[in-house]
Amino acid sequence: GQQLNQSPQSMFIQEGEDVSMNCTSSSIFNTWLWYKQDPGEGPVLLIALYKAGELTSNGRLTAQFGITRKDSFLNISASIPSDVGIYFCAGLANNAGNMLTFGGGTRLMVKP
Amino acid sequence: DAGVIQSPRHEVTEMGQEVTLRCKPISGHDYLFWYRQTMMRGLELLIYFNNNVPIDDSGMPEDRFSAKMPNASFSTLKIQPSEPRDSAVYFCASRARWWGTDTQYFGPGTRLTVL
Repeated sequence: GQQLNQSPQSMFIQEGEDVSMNCTSSSIFNTWLWYKQDPGEGPVLLIALYKAGELTSNGRLTAQFGITRKDSFLNISASIPSDVGIYFCAGLANNAGNMLTFGGGTRLMVKP
Repeated sequence: DAGVIQSPRHEVTEMGQEVTLRCKPISGHDYLFWYRQTMMRGLELLIYFNNNVPIDDSGMPEDRFSAKMPNASFSTLKIQPSEPRDSAVYFCASRARWWGTDTQYFGPGTRLTVL
């Protein structure tokens, strides 16, 4: 089946630093979604991408849909302590019906 | 909008008991998904509905699990009998497809502990 490789698995950074994480796949996706999950909560949608090459921002977050449609990245600029959490990528492919494929998550820790 | 609503938020039960988890999707969304999240396996899709009809239940672990969606605003996931290995966080999500966009929104989850 389809798989998403998300990296890094975890990051421990200093407040104020920029963060970058990415997801890659051997399959083509036509939608990429990025979620953040806080402890004890459900994943919250951050950014949705629908076109190859699309670059979308949401505050300090920027995500891009790779040109090959097999990858996506998420950048967080000037990290703050409340950025702590687990970030998931998810992709939707034409041949997957309506089911999202999720990456394994990136656990972000920010040191004040 | 209140978002996806799930209840209860926490459930502790003993092995062998019946457990019912509830979900109210976002109004106007025509897809509803049930997921299970564990440390070992991450997020797993159990079943999803389109217009209240179950479409794919291949992720349901076994016959002890069942899900229903009697109307557009309510769904249940039932485990009977429950077992300790069912302990996990169960999420409901609903999906919107508007004007070429396609997004999925999650509820806060139900943390189930089976003793």
